[in-house]
Amino acid sequence: SQTIHQWPATLVQPVGSPLSLECTVEGTSNPNLYWYRQAAGRGLQLLFYSVGIGQISSEVPQNLSASRPQDRQFILSSKKLLLSDSGFYLCAWTIEVTEAFFGQGTRLTVV
Amino acid sequence: AQSVTQLDSQVPVFEEAPVELRCNYSSSVSVYLFWYVQYPNQGLQLLLKYLSGSTLVESINGFEAEFNKSQTSFHLRKPSVHISDTAEYFCAVGSMDSSYKLIFGSGTRLLVRP
Repeated sequence: SQTIHQWPATLVQPVGSPLSLECTVEGTSNPNLYWYRQAAGRGLQLLFYSVGIGQISSEVPQNLSASRPQDRQFILSSKKLLLSDSGFYLCAWTIEVTEAFFGQGTRLTVV
Repeated sequence: AQSVTQLDSQVPVFEEAPVELRCNYSSSVSVYLFWYVQYPNQGLQLLLKYLSGSTLVESINGFEAEFNKSQTSFHLRKPSVHISDTAEYFCAVGSMDSSYKLIFGSGTRLLVRP
């Protein structure tokens, strides 16, 4: 069966520090991968998505970047965190977007 | 470009009353349509989806949604809600083209009161 792993579950980082959130999928090949940020009243905001290794589409210009170094690995990064980067980050995968499966999320607090 | 609009941020209803959560979308390509539910302190779960065929789709817990292509809507309904239906509901659209883009609405918080 397919599973998705996302870590860490919670993270507290100082302003200006770097960020790396990792998401991996097991049990499937060539998934479409997504990073979302969930904020109250704004739903799930699509940040990045990828249909293959090295292929990244960015939705929102901001202080974040994404990479897909392996087929089932998706990384969200920042060189210098801002207070506004605080939020709940969710990774998801689909096959042909007929259903999305989500990780448990990372609660990021920038202090 | 795609967009999903959930006009109601919160819908309070009494137990056993009917409810409708509205969802409208726009897209330049054909899309699949979804409703996801997030119970308090839990992750997102698929409630129901429209991929093709009958425009009326149902979930196992009594919710239904109807795809209306002319009105670009996918409203979620339940004839009689329970306290346990209290949750946040998200409408989503997924592109059928090779971009496989998947976007969500801003969510509607359903609050069921006794």
